[in-house]
Amino acid sequence: QKEVEQNSGPLSVPEGAIASLNCTYSDRVSQSFFWYRQYSGKSPELIMSIYSNGDKEDGRFTAQLNKASQYVSLLIRDSQPSDSATYLCAVLGQNFVFGPGTRLSVLP
Amino acid sequence: DAMVIQNPRYQVTQFGKPVTLSCSQTLNHNVMYWYQQKSSQAPKLLFHYYDKDFNNEADTPDNFQSRRPNTSFCFLDIRSPGLGDAAMYLCATSVAGGRYNEQFFGPGTRLTVL
Repeated sequence: QKEVEQNSGPLSVPEGAIASLNCTYSDRVSQSFFWYRQYSGKSPELIMSIYSNGDKEDGRFTAQLNKASQYVSLLIRDSQPSDSATYLCAVLGQNFVFGPGTRLSVLP
Repeated sequence: DAMVIQNPRYQVTQFGKPVTLSCSQTLNHNVMYWYQQKSSQAPKLLFHYYDKDFNNEADTPDNFQSRRPNTSFCFLDIRSPGLGDAAMYLCATSVAGGRYNEQFFGPGTRLTVL
């Protein structure tokens, strides 16, 4: 079992819709969870961090964490074409591990 | 603005010709990381420094070495680049300790091996 798993996508959503990105992890002692956005040919950019169960909102982004289910998600409301990118889930447990990323395409 | 800087942004080298990539940071973070990222793959950690303490990932090839002469600078040396080493090389920094460990990335160096 891979340590951090994400659907590779592509996930296509129409402009204005909600994009839902999911991530599962295997290390039960994981404490910290991160979402990075990476545009093609660019470096990852940190967009959300979450440490406690529940929801954390920042503008159009909401991160959701459920440690019992070992699941973290990212919701993007009012999706824009500029949100089209690969979204990397990263988890800090015994090690800092990136998931393979989900490619999101927002269609105008 | 505080930031992570990588030079050069694009590096072309020949098969077997040594190359050095550099990273500097003005964030005053005590941890620095080097990642390798190939197309459509997740970043793969090569090394990290916790202050001056060097940590090598078990599967990092011997062909890759790193130096951190001071808090602000870190270098990645590829002794004999092969075609399979063509990738984006990412430097990241973080403040160690506790649960947070948010990592901030530089813009990356795209390495081409001819």
